[in-house]
Amino acid sequence: DAKTTQPPSMDCAEGRAANLPCNHSTISGNEYVYWYRQIHSQGPQYIIHGLKNNETNEMASLIITEDRKSSTLILPHATLRDTAVYYCIVKQNQGGKLIFGQGTELSVKP
Amino acid sequence: SQTIHQWPATLVQPVGSPLSLECTVEGTSNPNLYWYRQAAGRGLQLLFYSVGIGQISSEVPQNLSASRPQDRQFILSSKKLLLSDSGFYLCAWSVLNGIGEQYFGPGTRLTVT
Repeated sequence: DAKTTQPPSMDCAEGRAANLPCNHSTISGNEYVYWYRQIHSQGPQYIIHGLKNNETNEMASLIITEDRKSSTLILPHATLRDTAVYYCIVKQNQGGKLIFGQGTELSVKP
Repeated sequence: SQTIHQWPATLVQPVGSPLSLECTVEGTSNPNLYWYRQAAGRGLQLLFYSVGIGQISSEVPQNLSASRPQDRQFILSSKKLLLSDSGFYLCAWSVLNGIGEQYFGPGTRLTVT
């Protein structure tokens, strides 16, 4: 079973920041937070992951609360091509399995 | 760079027919390999994973089987398809004992009629 809770859907205006929340209140000390996204009819795409520090890469930023019970994925300037289902997953970094929940369906609108 | 291939892209098969889906990875050695299925809408279900040639772990009992005859080849099979086998099948790989992210192939959309 997925260990995360995400809103089923969100809208965002093109060019604005998209902030996608995720709750993972039962996360354990050796589990990382991973984010993937799936554009319609394609395979999921890895976005970013982190343990406790905030992370940033060319795609997004990941903000993890100090107690690690929740996190937010930030797409700083959303484009229409960012419309996708975004999955927040917690798992051990070495091994472990990705368990996909239902994710958040992000719609970026012009 | 690493790439992952799946074929065919789409497949329509009658109930009771056999199935063989193939996945190959290029540009890496000793990957972990995975088969997922995505039935209607969202939600991927892990079906099988493999940490090496001939080593297959099954996550859910079902009508399907997997094999890994070569290091970078992963095959999903069925002897007799059921209607419930319809779905979007995705192969993925990750670096063995690496930092954990998985890279997915383009998928095969299977319709059983």
